Amino acid sequence: GAGVSQSPSNKVTEKGKDVELRCDPISGHTALYWYRQRLGQGLEFLIYFQGNSAPDKSGLPSDRFSAERTGESVSTLTIQRTQQEDSAVYLCASSTGLAGTTTYYEQYFGPGTRLTVT
Amino acid sequence: AQTVTQSQPEMSVQEAETVTLSCTYDTSESDYYLFWYKQPPSRQMILVIRQEAYKQQNATENRFSVNFQKAAKSFSLKISDSQLGDAAMYFCAYRAFTGNQFYFGTGTSLTVIP
Repeated sequence: GAGVSQSPSNKVTEKGKDVELRCDPISGHTALYWYRQRLGQGLEFLIYFQGNSAPDKSGLPSDRFSAERTGESVSTLTIQRTQQEDSAVYLCASSTGLAGTTTYYEQYFGPGTRLTVT
Repeated sequence: AQTVTQSQPEMSVQEAETVTLSCTYDTSESDYYLFWYKQPPSRQMILVIRQEAYKQQNATENRFSVNFQKAAKSFSLKISDSQLGDAAMYFCAYRAFTGNQFYFGTGTSLTVIP
């Protein structure tokens, strides 16, 4: 079956503009993560969605960042008034079950969106 | 807060040889998961191997094995019989049993020399 897909693959935007990044999880996956990966760095957790529960937004770096997901479908990450430090690869991952439990459910990652803010 | 440290930004290995990538972590939790992920140039992260902290036996997946030292908070990855396709960034990661967040190290770039 299809894996996690993300669009666009690359996005170049001017400082101050808003951008919207999209993630299509694997069908049936209830959990969805967004991560940011700056050049030469590891992944930084941004936000976690689990079904219809309230998302864990504890990783969002500022109020310019927001994300939405309706049920178990597509998620969008929005960055308002982009800054140069927002330049990074944004990765999405989905999994079948609950994080925060003693059972591990593997994350399946998308290919990411490379965002460049000029 | 949990931190994951990979002290080797770059490593290289001859094809068919063995290489070990290092990872240390800091946590006050007693139950957690540790992972090694591979990220090829395509950017897509792939799970290589997983270790549950309560298991004393080191995890093994074909040519990949770990050396998990819980007291030392060390979690190294050994790649045996290295192949050209093993060339990639490797990330060590941590997740508490009852947490949502994964914590990643800064990665080790592995080059395989033919």
